[in-house]
Amino acid sequence: AQKITQTQPGMFVQEKEAVTLDCTYDTSDQSYGLFWYKQPSSGEMIFLIYQGSYDEQNATEGRYSLNFQKARKSANLVISASQLGDSAMYFCAMRGRTQGAQKLVFGQGTRLTINP
Amino acid sequence: SAVISQKPSRDICQRGTSLTIQCQVDSQVTMMFWYRQQPGQSLTLIATANQGSEATYESGFVIDKFPISRPNLTFSTLTVSNMSPEDSSIYLCSVLAQTGNYGYTFGSGTRLTIV
Repeated sequence: AQKITQTQPGMFVQEKEAVTLDCTYDTSDQSYGLFWYKQPSSGEMIFLIYQGSYDEQNATEGRYSLNFQKARKSANLVISASQLGDSAMYFCAMRGRTQGAQKLVFGQGTRLTINP
Repeated sequence: SAVISQKPSRDICQRGTSLTIQCQVDSQVTMMFWYRQQPGQSLTLIATANQGSEATYESGFVIDKFPISRPNLTFSTLTVSNMSPEDSSIYLCSVLAQTGNYGYTFGSGTRLTIV
């Protein structure tokens, strides 16, 4: 079974600082994908970044980067130069291909608060 | 990427009643999913909606409580039946398309409160 673990229930960061949100995963699949989503108070799920299990380079999308350490089974999200609008819930998720299914499994989430 | 219209965006319902949530996609998609997000919790997959056949439910979810229809490749409904306060959650539709966001797009969610 696939499992995603986010060990930081909440984080508080000063504006303009960088922040790292932790994510570890467990799977027996050889091919899988890792996602990060942002969920503001409105409830919508906003896609941030994706890393494939065979990608050799860490994914980057603007201020977001994914620190992918395959041997340690970790996929931490790094947000550079944080902004007040970054305050939200952040979810790490994994897609596997167990038995042909392409379902997303989510971690517990981290609530990020950016202080001015 | 696919664009999803999910309705209603929110509702307040009496216990014992049922509510049907609609998910309309602007293009044909291979897979559609329904998630539940209880207050302060993560997303939990309820089921995969299969076009032309019965939905595939995850452990802990049953068809009698959460009947799902998917009559074509662009539309699905989730019904929450015989609601109780424990059903108060955000319900999200998600699709796996061929392009955009590495496949997955989410609807804006339905915030459901049972009184």
